Amino acid sequence: GDSVTQMEGPVTLSEEAFLTINCTYTATGYPSLFWYVQYPGEGLQLLLKATKADDKGSNKGFEATYRKETTSFHLEKGSVQVSDSAVYFCALILTGGGNKLTFGTGTQLKVEL
Amino acid sequence: DAGVIQSPRHEVTEMGQEVTLRCKPISGHDYLFWYRQTMMRGLELLIYFNNNVPIDDSGMPEDRFSAKMPNASFSTLKIQPSEPRDSAVYFCASSSERLWRELFFGEGSRLTVL
Repeated sequence: GDSVTQMEGPVTLSEEAFLTINCTYTATGYPSLFWYVQYPGEGLQLLLKATKADDKGSNKGFEATYRKETTSFHLEKGSVQVSDSAVYFCALILTGGGNKLTFGTGTQLKVEL
Repeated sequence: DAGVIQSPRHEVTEMGQEVTLRCKPISGHDYLFWYRQTMMRGLELLIYFNNNVPIDDSGMPEDRFSAKMPNASFSTLKIQPSEPRDSAVYFCASSSERLWRELFFGEGSRLTVL
């Protein structure tokens, strides 16, 4: 079945460090890919998305590129801030799959001063 | 605009009691989802509706769980009888095909069953 695999957390970084959170997927068709973020005590919110191969999603300094050849959608940020501390979820939807998102297990990011 | 509204935010109950969680989706959204989040199992899709009709309830753990959507602006998730293993944060989310499937989540209902 369709699935998303994320790197285990927590990831602990110092402020201004470079961030990479790995995400790979398995899908029977051609998915659209998403990163959602969950801040403490809140629901998830969309961070960025990419709908086809080689698309790059970006928002708030975060970027992820849809790599079909490696079935990956790694999240990156050049310089993290304490306020980026949250749990990050990679997710996919199949074309024609309705609105049913398949989520990864989430990766907790902790940014320290 | 108001986002997805869930109630109650916190619920503490005793094993065997009935629990009802409520959700008001964003006006105009035609999809509604119920998710459960725990440390052990992560984020699980329980059920989702399209135009008030249940489309996929394969994630509902057992017959003790039921969900309804009587109209476009209201949905409930009921657990009867509740058990300690049902303790989790339950999220409601809504979306619209026109908005390219971005899910908008509520703040969640934290359920503790003693």
